Order: sequence, then structure tokens, then C-alpha cells
Amino acid sequence: QLVESGGGLVQPGGSLRLSCAVSGVTVSRSYISWVRQAPGKGLEWVSVFNADGTTYYADSAQGRFTVSIDTSKNTLYLQMNSLRLEDTAIYYCAREAHGSGLGSTFDIWGQGAMVTVSS
Amino acid sequence: DIQMTQSPSTLSASVGDRVTITCRASQSISSWLAWYQLRPGKAPKLLIYKTSTLESGVPPRFSGSGSGTEFTLTISSLQPDDFATYCCQQYSSSSRTFAQGTKVEVK
Repeated sequence: QLVESGGGLVQPGGSLRLSCAVSGVTVSRSYISWVRQAPGKGLEWVSVFNADGTTYYADSAQGRFTVSIDTSKNTLYLQMNSLRLEDTAIYYCAREAHGSGLGSTFDIWGQGAMVTVSS
Repeated sequence: DIQMTQSPSTLSASVGDRVTITCRASQSISSWLAWYQLRPGKAPKLLIYKTSTLESGVPPRFSGSGSGTEFTLTISSLQPDDFATYCCQQYSSSSRTFAQGTKVEVK
């Protein structure tokens, strides 16, 4: 099970940290992505944490967003800095599954956390 | 990045109808195509992966086909619970891109 928290209202240029509490599996041995959906738009993959500790980001997130884990809390985080209006979205954490070797599908999703960037 | 498009964007149908949604990739993705069901306020649900493999627990009225750049999702007999938005996702590349989605609404 995945449960997101930490969403809210933030001004442009501000920062926010989302949490994804993981249960049933060990976060450090998991492959978990962040996926977002802006209002009226389709889903967009944001970043992935791999079990080997590597992280990858979409171009839209590169240099501004950082994924990390806390093994003591079995939780995944998405630190978002320099937020822009276009980052407004529901952010989901989702477990990767059925990989192709390069990408994956997502078989378990959290309920989502709303992030609103507005002045 | 590989771009994904779907058609139609909206589809009006009745319970019992056969429904088909098309998904196209901007370049070949082999069979690395998944379908999701989206409902407002709920987590997305994986329906099909690798073009035609049903995720565990998904009813067999859902099916997928295609390869390369053109794919279809078919619901053989639409049920009340199936009125939702459906979107495809390619995972041939690390960018894991989604299409905009098709809303299936009550006719």
C-alpha cells in the first residue's frame, strides 16, 4: 500500500516535500515512481527510485525535484524546489511493475496528493 | 520522447455496447503498451500490460491488441462500472509517457 501526504498550496518559486508511506514491502528494495496529473491533462511520469538506489527524472523535474528515502520510516519523498505554476497537479506515488528493461507500468498507486502552485 | 495519442477523446456508449479505443505511438514501442482506468478521486487502475496481458483481477471483457505504433483497447460488453476515462502508456523507453485519455460516458 502507498499513502501520499504533504500536498498543499505554495507560491511560485517555493518548495514542498511530498511523502509516500510504503507498507507491505521495503522501500529500499522497491521501484517506485512519482506520477502527476495536472488539471485537465493526462498523466505525466516525474521520477523513479530504483532498488539499487539510483533515481531518474523527467526533463520537467530535472534539477528542481529530488527523490529520497527514509528506511526507518519506510517512506519515499519527493522534494520539489523552484515550483512553477505548471507544477500544479495531483501527485501519485506508484509501484513499478512488468518492466521492459527501460520503462515500467505501474500496478499499485496511492490516492494522490494535490499540489497547487499559485500566488 | 515518444508521444502517445488516443482517439476518440470522448466516447458515448450504452451498457452492453462494444467499445474500442485507439492508441498511437509516435514511433515503434514493440508491445510495451499498458492501459489504465481513471476515475475522479481514485487511484489509477492498471488494466492491461504488454499490449494484451490482463492484470490480475481485471474482467475478461477487457482486451488489448496491436503492436508497433497502433494499439486498441476493447470492452466487449460495457458494464455500469466501466464508465470512466481510459489512457494508454508506453514503457518502451524510460520516459514512460501517457496519452491524454478517452472518457467513456453514458449515451
